[in-house]
Amino acid sequence: AQSVTQPDIHITVSEGASLELRCNYSYGATPYLFWYVQSPGQGLQLLLKYFSGDTLVQGIKGFEAEFKRSQSSFNLRKPSVHWSDAAEYFCAVGAVYNQGGKLIFGQGTELSVKP
Amino acid sequence: GAVVSQHPSWVICKSGTSVKIECRSLDFQATTMFWYRQFPKQSLMLMATSNEGSKATYEQGVEKDKFLINHASLTLSTLTVTSAHPEDSSFYICSARDRLAGSGTQYFGPGTRLTVL
Repeated sequence: AQSVTQPDIHITVSEGASLELRCNYSYGATPYLFWYVQSPGQGLQLLLKYFSGDTLVQGIKGFEAEFKRSQSSFNLRKPSVHWSDAAEYFCAVGAVYNQGGKLIFGQGTELSVKP
Repeated sequence: GAVVSQHPSWVICKSGTSVKIECRSLDFQATTMFWYRQFPKQSLMLMATSNEGSKATYEQGVEKDKFLINHASLTLSTLTVTSAHPEDSSFYICSARDRLAGSGTQYFGPGTRLTVL
């Protein structure tokens, strides 16, 4: 079955500390992978995406993610967290070969930032 | 670029009435748009896929007669919640896929908060 797992429901980090949000996927086809961020009451903003090529992907707001095929993972990282990064983060996977363009979302990880 | 708008951003209606939500891609053409529903503290649940000029494809368990979707142009899709009831209260989010960008990237609207009294 196709699925995305974000093991951490809630993470709290101190401002300035590093961050890693975990994402594991189970997908039969070659995946496209995405990280989105959602602020309260808002839609989702695309942080970064992986389609092919370099497995380390750079995104907006200083985020990066690394695709590890052997581990079926696509973890999101940021070296120094800012208070404005507090939000809900969603990992998503889709098909390379355009299975209707659907995305499967993980359950989300809520990030809190301590001053 | 890649901006998606939704209107209204929030709506309160009485039980039994119908509510229409618009989703527009402002600076790109979207042959495919998606409608999601999100409950508090939960992930997004895909309701339906909307393709320009054809009927929407609904996910299992979603009532197509209750959630009417129309995708009349490359920049506009609408979701109409018919005969709304309190259990339809939710946060509805649309997304649009840029047909030129391809690769399945979806850009999301800001969402519409529906409250049915």
